Amino acid sequence: TQLLEQSPQFLSIQEGENLTVYCNSSSVFSSLQWYRQEPGEGPVLLVTVVTGGEVKKLKRLTFQFGDARKDSSLHITAAQPGDTGLYLCAGVHAKLTFGTGTRLTIIP
Amino acid sequence: SAVISQKPSRDICQRGTSLTIQCQVDSQVTMMFWYRQQPGQSLTLIATANQGSEATYESGFVIDKFPISRPNLTFSTLTVSNMSPEDSSIYLCSVSGLAYRTGELFFGEGSRLTVL
Repeated sequence: TQLLEQSPQFLSIQEGENLTVYCNSSSVFSSLQWYRQEPGEGPVLLVTVVTGGEVKKLKRLTFQFGDARKDSSLHITAAQPGDTGLYLCAGVHAKLTFGTGTRLTIIP
Repeated sequence: SAVISQKPSRDICQRGTSLTIQCQVDSQVTMMFWYRQQPGQSLTLIATANQGSEATYESGFVIDKFPISRPNLTFSTLTVSNMSPEDSSIYLCSVSGLAYRTGELFFGEGSRLTVL
């Protein structure tokens, strides 16, 4: 069973601060996806990273795939209340496995 | 992308009853999945809904408890049978635009089920 552990599990910070969410596994993945889920909605895909060491930027969000393709991080700069939500990583191997989730709250 | 509609969006049910959740997609898709999201938790795959054949269930989920239909490439239903309070969850329909199960997923808004 492939496990994807996310940390922190919960994070509550002030608007304007920076934060990093981690997604770690002992397994190697062919690619990794990040989703955000807002209350009352289904998850929405943010990005897919494919190559070890790859960095992708989506406005204030920076995603990195580890060199060994076992881990990933999501960094948000100058967090805004609209960033509030549940962030889920999902590793791709023979099947898609979702991480444990990070619930982020940005306080105005 | 795909637009996915789920019905009902939420329901409150009595123990021992069954509820069927519908999922309608605005385009034909190959891969369709049903997920469960227990309160405050991540997503767990229940099964892959196969068009024209029996669904493929993940470990811990069985057809008698979660029967699934998929009569065509745009529609599927998930039934939660003989419900207990432990079945209280959000049930999510998702599709992949690609013909393999590890493609990027699009989700419906979910059906929030509360069992009393």
